[in-house]
Amino acid sequence: DAGITQSPRHKVTETGTPVTLRCHQTENHRYMYWYRQDPGHGLRLIHYSYGVKDTDKGEVSDGYSVSRSKTEDFLLTLESATSSQTSVYFCAISAGGNGYTFGSGTRLTVV
Amino acid sequence: DQQVKQNSPSLSVQEGRISILNCDYTNSMFDYFLWYKKYPAEGPTFLISISSIKDKNEDGRFTVFLNKSAKHLSLHIVPSQPGDSAVYFCAASGNFGNEKLTFGTGTRLTIIP
Repeated sequence: DAGITQSPRHKVTETGTPVTLRCHQTENHRYMYWYRQDPGHGLRLIHYSYGVKDTDKGEVSDGYSVSRSKTEDFLLTLESATSSQTSVYFCAISAGGNGYTFGSGTRLTVV
Repeated sequence: DQQVKQNSPSLSVQEGRISILNCDYTNSMFDYFLWYKKYPAEGPTFLISISSIKDKNEDGRFTVFLNKSAKHLSLHIVPSQPGDSAVYFCAASGNFGNEKLTFGTGTRLTIIP
């Protein structure tokens, strides 16, 4: 849906380089989340935000950082990409209490 | 430690029959449960939810059952249609959905025409 967009949709990067993924929403939702999807692991939470400049770690946060300087944007940065971070990354938004709306995902390959 | 488990990675069902997807959880603080459906190259989309104050919730062809004592929920799809072929994720939350979601590993459902 147009309410949440992720960019880029696909990216190939080299080991050791920094990478930033962007999530943009037009719904003015308070909560934003970054998940990664891997075979056998389902969706695992990396980081989340409950407001501008308010973020917290999820269960697989090592090697990742986030920033939210505006309500509509939530950035995920891989500080120094490793092959284990090859994955599909999903952003989600929530107004609280009613589940999430997900973006279409970013497929990241680290070579 | 996987707090939400979907023990069947895949399931194949004949078109028109019932599909039953199962999910188990270990955290007794979970009180709100959801099912999401995911097609390839798309994000998951919300399908149906249930609060712990209920044991059943229906929406058209989809019904979710919750057995709190067993910490088990299931999604029934009847009749199954080819468009139901997708990966289904079970998710759970505390505080009646006001806390972050914990997802299961997913079950790939294939409907055989």
